Amino acid sequence: QKEVEQNSGPLSVPEGAIASLNCTYSDRVSQSFFWYRQYSGKSPELIMSIYSNGDKEDGRFTAQLNKASQYVSLLIRDSQPSDSATYLCAVLYTGGFKTIFGAGTRLFVKA
Amino acid sequence: GAGVSQSPSNKVTEKGKDVELRCDPISGHTALYWYRQRLGQGLEFLIYFQGNSAPDKSGLPSDRFSAERTGESVSTLTIQRTQQEDSAVYLCASSRDSSEYFGPGTRLTVL
Repeated sequence: QKEVEQNSGPLSVPEGAIASLNCTYSDRVSQSFFWYRQYSGKSPELIMSIYSNGDKEDGRFTAQLNKASQYVSLLIRDSQPSDSATYLCAVLYTGGFKTIFGAGTRLFVKA
Repeated sequence: GAGVSQSPSNKVTEKGKDVELRCDPISGHTALYWYRQRLGQGLEFLIYFQGNSAPDKSGLPSDRFSAERTGESVSTLTIQRTQQEDSAVYLCASSRDSSEYFGPGTRLTVL
């Protein structure tokens, strides 16, 4: 059973701080990794994808992948109240066609 | 259209009735997914279509659930003899590579 694990939170950070969201996955043979943001009552929105070890930066967001340790993380710099949402980690396994989603981490950014 | 569209946006039905939910994927996206999300819960995979290949139905919770897709176009998810536990948001996503793009969802309420 392939699994993607996330701390459900809530994770609370003050405005301007760095929010760090973590995700672990169960299968070493994995291919593609994604972070989605879901606002309350809305559908998930893709914000980052990462395919190789290391860091990938896009604006205030940095995705970090460590395949040896089987974790992927998302850093949000200069957190804003508008970043308050649930963040879903998703993994596409090699040879598979369906993405496995974690249950999500709720983030609250306090003004 | 620019994004994935779903209809209806809301559906209220009585227990025992059949419902049909529709998804229009992004043009050119060969893959289409259906998910279910209960209130406060994560995404539950239902079914996956890829081009003209046989669909992956491994997530359908019972034989009351079925889905169809013609080629790379519209998909319909049908729930027969609805039960109260079917109440949820049903999300459709499409992709061309591995990144999934979600529609706004259909909120189903079974009374």
